[in-house]
Amino acid sequence: AQSVTQLDSQVPVFEEAPVELRCNYSSSVSVYLFWYVQYPNQGLQLLLKYLSGSTLVKGINGFEAEFNKSQTSFHLRKPSVHISDTAEYFCAVSGRYQKVTFGTGTKLQVIP
Amino acid sequence: GAGVSQTPSNKVTEKGKYVELRCDPISGHTALYWYRQSLGQGPEFLIYFQGTGAADDSGLPNDRFFAVRPEGSVSTLKIQRTERGDSAVYLCASSRRMGDRNEQYFGPGTRLTVT
Repeated sequence: AQSVTQLDSQVPVFEEAPVELRCNYSSSVSVYLFWYVQYPNQGLQLLLKYLSGSTLVKGINGFEAEFNKSQTSFHLRKPSVHISDTAEYFCAVSGRYQKVTFGTGTKLQVIP
Repeated sequence: GAGVSQTPSNKVTEKGKYVELRCDPISGHTALYWYRQSLGQGPEFLIYFQGTGAADDSGLPNDRFFAVRPEGSVSTLKIQRTERGDSAVYLCASSRRMGDRNEQYFGPGTRLTVT
C-alpha cells in the first residue's frame, strides 16, 4: 500500500519570499513521485516528477523538489514566490501499475 | 492541441437519480483514468482503462458506480441511485500508454452535486 502525507493544509507566504511545501510518503515498492498544482476551477497540472536518477528535480514555474529516500520525503520549494503561485498543491505517489495516490493538498496563499 | 475535456462541467441531480459523466481524452492516449475529489481532499483513484478494458477498478466505492470505454477513446462514468455522499468533483485523466512513467493529463472535472 502507498500513502502520502501533506501536513500543512495552508501555507501563507509573502510575495518574493521563499516557500517549502512538505510531503512525506510511504510505499512498499519503488516509487515515482509527483507534484501537481490546481488553480481555482481548473484541472490538475503537473509541476514536476521524480522517476529515477538525480534526486533534485526541477519543474515548471521555478519550482523544484528533492527526493530523500531515507526520510521518505519529497518537499517542494521555490526561492521567490509570486502572486500567481497562489493555488493548491498536491503531492502524489505512483507505483508499478500507475495507480496514483494523492495527498490532501496544501493551499499556498501568496500575500502581496 | 486539445486537452482532456469533460462534460458537463456541473451537474446537479436529486438523490436517487442516475447520472452519466463523460470524458474525452487527448487523441492518441490509450490509458484513461477516473478520480473523485471530495471537498478538502486530494483526488481519489476510481478506475483506469487501457484501451477498452478496465485494467484496475479497485477504487470504485460500490456497485452503484460503473465506467465504460467501448471504443477505447471516450469514457463514461455512470452512477446509479445517487446519494448525497457522491457529491464531489470527478476528474478524468489520460496518458499516452500504460506504463509507470507516463504523465497523466487531467481534465477540468465535473462537479456533481446531489441534493
